[in-house]
Amino acid sequence: QQQVKQSPQSLIVQKGGISIINCAYENTAFDYFPWYQQFPGKGPALLIAIRPDVSEKKEGRFTISFNKSAKQFSLHIMDSQPGDSATYFCAALAVSGSARQLTFGSGTQLTVLP
Amino acid sequence: DTAVSQTPKYLVTQMGNDKSIKCEQNLGHDTMYWYKQDSKKFLKIMFSYNNKELIINETVPNRFSPKSPDKAHLNLHINSLELGDSAVYFCASRSRLAPLHFGNGTRLTVT
Repeated sequence: QQQVKQSPQSLIVQKGGISIINCAYENTAFDYFPWYQQFPGKGPALLIAIRPDVSEKKEGRFTISFNKSAKQFSLHIMDSQPGDSATYFCAALAVSGSARQLTFGSGTQLTVLP
Repeated sequence: DTAVSQTPKYLVTQMGNDKSIKCEQNLGHDTMYWYKQDSKKFLKIMFSYNNKELIINETVPNRFSPKSPDKAHLNLHINSLELGDSAVYFCASRSRLAPLHFGNGTRLTVT
């Protein structure tokens, strides 16, 4: 059962364009929503995160939009650059028993063309 | 200074063998994890472990076992390797107030 659904699977954007990746979740116990960026040969690294008490968080060119009622959140990359080409994972965190476990979306392969 | 380090980076072995992957974190985190990333890049949690509790994903075969000699280390032992075990394995760590930090992965190839 996939608790966090991510789309699209792949995305190609021209340099300077806006990249948008969407995620939806089912479990209302999720209370922390990070995005991870993964370059080839590297582990995922935290990019930006949001809690459900705010609808938007911006850090530089990266913005998370969060819709609690729709149980959806998205990552917007403004002025996309070739260096942004990577795989992006949305995730959600909830208390599960006595441990907090991060559930990942299926990933989006972003390619930014020069 | 690598925060979460894994060795080896690449591991090629034959079916039926037993192998181990080591992981160390120098962040002072209290919880460590093993994730498996398949060929489609999907990340699946295998284990989470702190000093008090081991949480095992019920879908992980019992051929896989984590071993933690101390708070900064969580090694992964795999017995009787199968072709389907080929994947990239990531170690990660976090604490209550810190985000999840990943190592750079171990690419396991079973032939």
